[in-house]
Parts: sequence; structure tokens; C-alpha cells
Amino acid sequence: AQTVTQSQPEMSVQEAETVTLSCTYDTSENNYYLFWYKQPPSRQMILVIRQEAYKQQNATENRFSVNFQKAAKSFSLKISDSQLGDTAMYFCAFMGYSGGSNYKLTFGKGTLLTVNP
Amino acid sequence: DVKVTQSSRYLVKRTGEKVFLECVQDMDHENMFWYRQDPGLGLRLIYFSYDVKMKEKGDIPEGYSVSREKKERFSLILESASTNQTSMYLCATGDRYEQYFGPGTRLTVT
Repeated sequence: AQTVTQSQPEMSVQEAETVTLSCTYDTSENNYYLFWYKQPPSRQMILVIRQEAYKQQNATENRFSVNFQKAAKSFSLKISDSQLGDTAMYFCAFMGYSGGSNYKLTFGKGTLLTVNP
Repeated sequence: DVKVTQSSRYLVKRTGEKVFLECVQDMDHENMFWYRQDPGLGLRLIYFSYDVKMKEKGDIPEGYSVSREKKERFSLILESASTNQTSMYLCATGDRYEQYFGPGTRLTVT
């Protein structure tokens, strides 16, 4: 079974600064996807960024980027130029893909990020 | 835009009641999921469905059942609600690239 560990239950950062959220995972699968999801207060969960394990290049979406270390099974999220709207719970998630079509996600416990003005 | 809607945002039920939570998606996705979200525990998969009338247990299926009679609709059923089922319930649909979540139903069982 896969496990996803987020070791930082809460973090805070000043507006305009950079913050990194940590995630490690454990799996025996070779083909998988990793995700960061964001859940703002009282709002719906949305996808922030996705990384495909077979791609060596780290994914980037505007101010959000990841540091994917496959051998170390590490998948951290860097948020640059933090904005007040980045305040949210962030979940790291794993999806194994061995050819089936179930697309189940395994989530970490989440990191509550607060961006301070 | 993908829309995933859930029948209620807030629900209060009594212990022993049968509870239905409904989820509807408009993306024609085959896969649909029910998660439970609790503070400090993240999201845990209760059940998922990969086709009409097809279902599989997730990590915490005890005390729950599901129904999928139509592709767009996936229902979570609490046969006899208990206080330890007080939680936020999230429905999702999607594929390998992304899951789209509903707004959640906060269920309180008293």
C-alpha cells in the first residue's frame, strides 16, 4: 500500500516571500503521478500542480513549482511570491498507475499554510 | 468548467438514521469517489466507482455503502448513522490527470 507523509502540519509565511512544503511517499510502483491539491477556507479543493514520475523535469505552474526526487521519494512544493490568497490547506497526493483505470488517490494529512500580510 | 455538486452543504442527523449523500458530475467521467475528511487525518477514500453499477471498497468502507445507477450520479449511504461518522464528506470525479471535487457535505450525527 502507498503512504504519503506531510511532516509539517502548519506553516506560515510573509506575503511576497517563498515557502516550501514537504512531502514524502512510499511505493513499490514504477508508474505513478504525484499531485498537490489546495483547499482554501470553506472552498472547494482544486489541483495546484501535477508531476508524472517518468518525467525528470520538475513541473511548474506560474508561482508554484515542485522538487521531485524520485530516488528519495520526495515531492516538495515551492510557492514563490506568496499571496494572501495562497492561505489554504495543502494536500500532497499519490496515484499509482499500473495500467488499470481506477485512478485512486492516496492523500497526506495536509499542511495548513497561512500567508501573513 | 467541470461541475461536481453535492446535495447538501450541511446536514444534521440523529444516531441510527439512514443517511443519503448524493453527488452529481457533468463531465461524463467513468470514475467517481467518496472521501471522508477529518482534521489531522487528511482525506481517506471510502468507496469508488469506475462504471455504472460497479463499485470498489476504499480504505474505510465500514458503515457505508454506495449506489451508482447512472453515470453522472454517485450516492453514499450511511445505513445507520453513528456519532463517529460526523465528518466532512467530499465527492470527486476525474481521471489520471486530475480529480475534481465537490464542495463537501458537513455531516453532524447527534
